[in-house]
Amino acid sequence: EIVLTQSPATLSLSPGERATLSCRASHSVSTFLAWYQQKPGQAPRLLLYDASNRAPGIPARFRGSGSGTDFTLTISSLEPEDFAVYFCQQRYNWPPLTFGGGTKVEIK
Amino acid sequence: EVQLLQSGGDLVQPGGSLRLSCAASEVTYTSRAMFWVRQAPGKGLEWVSSINYDGSDTYYADPVKGRFTISRDNSKETLYLQMDSLRVEDTAVYFCARGPWSDAGGWFELWGQGTLVTVSS
Repeated sequence: EIVLTQSPATLSLSPGERATLSCRASHSVSTFLAWYQQKPGQAPRLLLYDASNRAPGIPARFRGSGSGTDFTLTISSLEPEDFAVYFCQQRYNWPPLTFGGGTKVEIK
Repeated sequence: EVQLLQSGGDLVQPGGSLRLSCAASEVTYTSRAMFWVRQAPGKGLEWVSSINYDGSDTYYADPVKGRFTISRDNSKETLYLQMDSLRVEDTAVYFCARGPWSDAGGWFELWGQGTLVTVSS
């Protein structure tokens, strides 16, 4: 099973600042990694798939990069609606499809 | 607007059974894989099960294998999760999700609103 480790667990930032979230895989997942955003009481929403492709309707301030075992989600300038929990997920070696533990981006 | 509408969550005793449903409101449902993902209270996301577009391939996470059954009725555009021998640790919000293509791997492109399953005596 591929284990995904996200860091940091919590990121405290102000609106307008840049957010950099990390996802590290226990084995290579090539570029078969997705990112999701989840707000309290809501279902997750797909942001990026295959490491760097934005899902329809996702703003350009969300950017994904990486391959192999190290991936980054960058939010270039935080908007108020971006404060949420972010999860990564791999589809390279499954079953199981696995998620990271999440990074909470909170208002500083 | 494309939607996945879930139903069936409830309070059930350990050892009991429950069936969750997920109804799609779009014609592409029958060509896409579908998934169940759960989230225990205050915890992260856990993949539960996958089914390909026509139901011929199914996959399960180890914690639910042999107890849960995923199925779909494409004539009704509905996905199901039959949950038997429920345990306290199955308590979670269960989400259905649609995949980007016909086979049972992939990412979770569209999500239902979630339904709470509570297993407690």
